[in-house]
Amino acid sequence: NAGVTQTPKFRVLKTGQSMTLLCAQDMNHEYMYWYRQDPGMGLRLIHYSVGEGTTAKGEVPDGYNVSRLKKQNFLLGLESAAPSQTSVYFCASSYGVEVGREQFFGPGTRLTVL
Amino acid sequence: AQSVAQPEDQVNVAEGNPLTVKCTYSVSGNPYLFWYVQYPNRGLQFLLKYITGDNLVKGSYGFEAEFNKSQTSFHLKKPSALVSDSALYFCAVRDGGRGSTLGRLYFGRGTQLTVWP
Repeated sequence: NAGVTQTPKFRVLKTGQSMTLLCAQDMNHEYMYWYRQDPGMGLRLIHYSVGEGTTAKGEVPDGYNVSRLKKQNFLLGLESAAPSQTSVYFCASSYGVEVGREQFFGPGTRLTVL
Repeated sequence: AQSVAQPEDQVNVAEGNPLTVKCTYSVSGNPYLFWYVQYPNRGLQFLLKYITGDNLVKGSYGFEAEFNKSQTSFHLKKPSALVSDSALYFCAVRDGGRGSTLGRLYFGRGTQLTVWP
């Protein structure tokens, strides 16, 4: 049981390049989330999904797109990377909507945009 | 709107001493509160949660947290700190509303805990 995995672990992009971050979970969770973590700002929600085929905007969605074609995978895309998107990106998942359900986090992807 | 404040960016404590990491919250309904820990170059790990019931919640690695409704606080505590407790700690409040925002967590900015030998 691998939990939540993320690929790649590190990436360096040039301004204007595109890339996709992959999140996978093997816990059969319905809910998946993408966060970004910046120093002194905690975690901010980018996009999330409440089930296969659904996505919704979070707090800071601009410049990102997501897709949830399969229940176990949640992809985060950057179409034209900008230096402001330099950050650590975390994916998380949870089983249901009961208020006691904690989220499980992946190990993160460290992205640098030059 | 939900929000969480962690008033201390850093907490330093000697090994063996008690530690407290502070968290205050603001919610429009019932508070559902969580603590997570992040070790260097790792993802967040769940420590404990308050949903309802006893105000003192016990969690992993000997940590506990005290819920205080009148002070809107949820401080993390440990009676005797270890060097291995050094990490970044996040308090979070859960969105308990209906609709598509169900399950969303709002995080504080994090508190760096350093336990020195």
